[in-house]
Amino acid sequence: DAMVIQNPRYQVTQFGKPVTLSCSQTLNHNVMYWYQQKSSQAPKLLFHYYDKDFNNEADTPDNFQSRRPNTSFCFLDIRSPGLGDAAMYLCATSRQGGGQPQHFGDGTRLSIL
Amino acid sequence: EDQVTQSPEALRLQEGESSSLNCSYTVSGLRGLFWYRQDPGKGPEFLFTLYSAGEEKEKERLKATLTKKESFLHITAPKPEDSATYLCAVRTDNYGQNFVFGPGTRLSVLP
Repeated sequence: DAMVIQNPRYQVTQFGKPVTLSCSQTLNHNVMYWYQQKSSQAPKLLFHYYDKDFNNEADTPDNFQSRRPNTSFCFLDIRSPGLGDAAMYLCATSRQGGGQPQHFGDGTRLSIL
Repeated sequence: EDQVTQSPEALRLQEGESSSLNCSYTVSGLRGLFWYRQDPGKGPEFLFTLYSAGEEKEKERLKATLTKKESFLHITAPKPEDSATYLCAVRTDNYGQNFVFGPGTRLSVLP
């Protein structure tokens, strides 16, 4: 089945130690998104790629960066994680076009020690 | 500014007790309204897209409807496995490819 796959499902890192989360998709969608979701809250968009065109949300901290080396893969880098960055990180994809749904992976739960 | 609200925040139903969840929106230029189901520790699962007022979609015990200012997710004779958080999101002219999410409704269906 075509899908969005996130690895790892659980990630533990130390305060200040860089961490990378990965996302791959077999849907061949040209738009990819990274969201942060904290407990009992809606997903919060961090950034998205429209093909290779990177779009950063205004309130996304500089500590968060992303790479998309090809259509299928996207990475979220957190350069110096703080305790407040502990959350679920969700990757999503969609086709271009205003009415298209987004398809989500099952997320990576990030814990900071 | 585009806004999406959902009510109630939480809902507890007995198995078989039908009810509705509400998603109200204030947006300019609706391109689509989307319903998702999210189980604990998982990503949102796509349920429906609605594009224009009067449109309805159904899937098993769920039926989504849309008016010019709100959407309802009707749950008929729910089962415990319907317990989840239901998220509503919109795509609008202001946000292009991006979604504006509502805060969600946590549904618990008791056996």
